[in-house]
Amino acid sequence: GDSVTQMEGPVTLSEEAFLTINCTYTATGYPSLFWYVQYPGEGLQLLLKATKADDKGSNKGFEATYRKETTSFHLEKGSVQVSDSAVYFCALSDPGTGGSYIPTFGRGTSLIVHP
Amino acid sequence: ETGVTQTPRHLVMGMTNKKSLKCEQHLGHNAMYWYKQSAKKPLELMFVYSLEERVENNSVPSRFSPECPNSSHLFLHLHTLQPEDSALYLCASSQSTDSYGYTFGSGTRLTVV
Repeated sequence: GDSVTQMEGPVTLSEEAFLTINCTYTATGYPSLFWYVQYPGEGLQLLLKATKADDKGSNKGFEATYRKETTSFHLEKGSVQVSDSAVYFCALSDPGTGGSYIPTFGRGTSLIVHP
Repeated sequence: ETGVTQTPRHLVMGMTNKKSLKCEQHLGHNAMYWYKQSAKKPLELMFVYSLEERVENNSVPSRFSPECPNSSHLFLHLHTLQPEDSALYLCASSQSTDSYGYTFGSGTRLTVV
């Protein structure tokens, strides 16, 4: 079945550092890919998405590129802020060929940014 | 009020208690979901409702009983829970089960003692 693998956390960075959170996936069809963010005490919010190969999703300075050849969707940000401290979830939806729109989530990666 | 609202935010219950979690959305969505979020584990989809009908039940123990009286409200009734049921329970909604846009509530932090 479909699955999403994220790097283990926590990721601890200083403010203004470069961020990469790795995400790879396994899917039978041609999934859409997502990054969700969960701030402390809140639910998940959609951060960005990409629906086909080579698409780049971007929002709030974060970006991720759908790489079909490496089945990856790594999250990057050039300069993180303390307010970016949260848990980040990679997810996919694979509705084609009898699949489902309901997303499959990774385990989440905690990001801690120090001043 | 907009978005997805969950109450209570925190709940502590004994193993013999009966309690209910409530979820409410005013987005006009037709699909609603219950998820369980435990530390260091992937989000677990528990139940899916579409137009008030349960369309998915992912092998959830019968001590969890969902109810969807209308498309705006979703409940999770709890009874005789175990300590391992302690987790964050998240409600989400989407336009339909055939759409991508999910909106999550802030969750109910449940502790079973």
